[in-house]
Amino acid sequence: NAGVTQTPKFRVLKTGQSMTLLCAQDMNHEYMYWYRQDPGMGLRLIHYSVGEGTTAKGEVPDGYNVSRLKKQNFLLGLESAAPSQTSVYFCASAREGSYYNEQFFGPGTRLTVL
Amino acid sequence: GNSVTQMEGPVTLSEEAFLTINCTYTATGYPSLFWYVQYPGEGLQLLLKATKADDKGSNKGFEATYRKETTSFHLEKGSVQVSDSAVYFCALILNTNAGKSTFGDGTTLTVKP
Repeated sequence: NAGVTQTPKFRVLKTGQSMTLLCAQDMNHEYMYWYRQDPGMGLRLIHYSVGEGTTAKGEVPDGYNVSRLKKQNFLLGLESAAPSQTSVYFCASAREGSYYNEQFFGPGTRLTVL
Repeated sequence: GNSVTQMEGPVTLSEEAFLTINCTYTATGYPSLFWYVQYPGEGLQLLLKATKADDKGSNKGFEATYRKETTSFHLEKGSVQVSDSAVYFCALILNTNAGKSTFGDGTTLTVKP
């Protein structure tokens, strides 16, 4: 049982390049989330999904797109990277149906945009 | 809107000292409350939670009590260890929010031997 895994762990991009971050979970969770973590700003929700084939915007969605084609995977795309997207990105998942279910986090992807 | 305010850090303590990290919240409704811990280079992991007023969450010597009257969920530990050095996040979830969490900014704790 691997929990939540993220690929890659580190990446350096040049401004304008694109990339996709992959999140996978093996806990059969319905809900999945992408956050970014910046110094002194806690975690900010980028996009989330409440089930296969569904996505919704979070607090800071601009410049990102997501897809949830399979229940176990949640992809985060950057079409044209900007230095402001330098951050640590965390994926999380949770069971549906109850508001007291905690989120399970992946180990993070550290992205630097030059 | 919903928000979580945590005690500003960083916090530096000596081993075996008493720890309190304050957390207060604002929410439109009755949230569940959580404390997560993040060790260096890792993702967040649940430390403890409480789902209704007066509930006490506890784990690994840490405790927090859901105080509805003061909208607070302060984290305490009687005797910290070097291994408790980490970043601690307070968070809430509302029952109408598809499980979305609102996080505080995090408090960095360093415990010195």
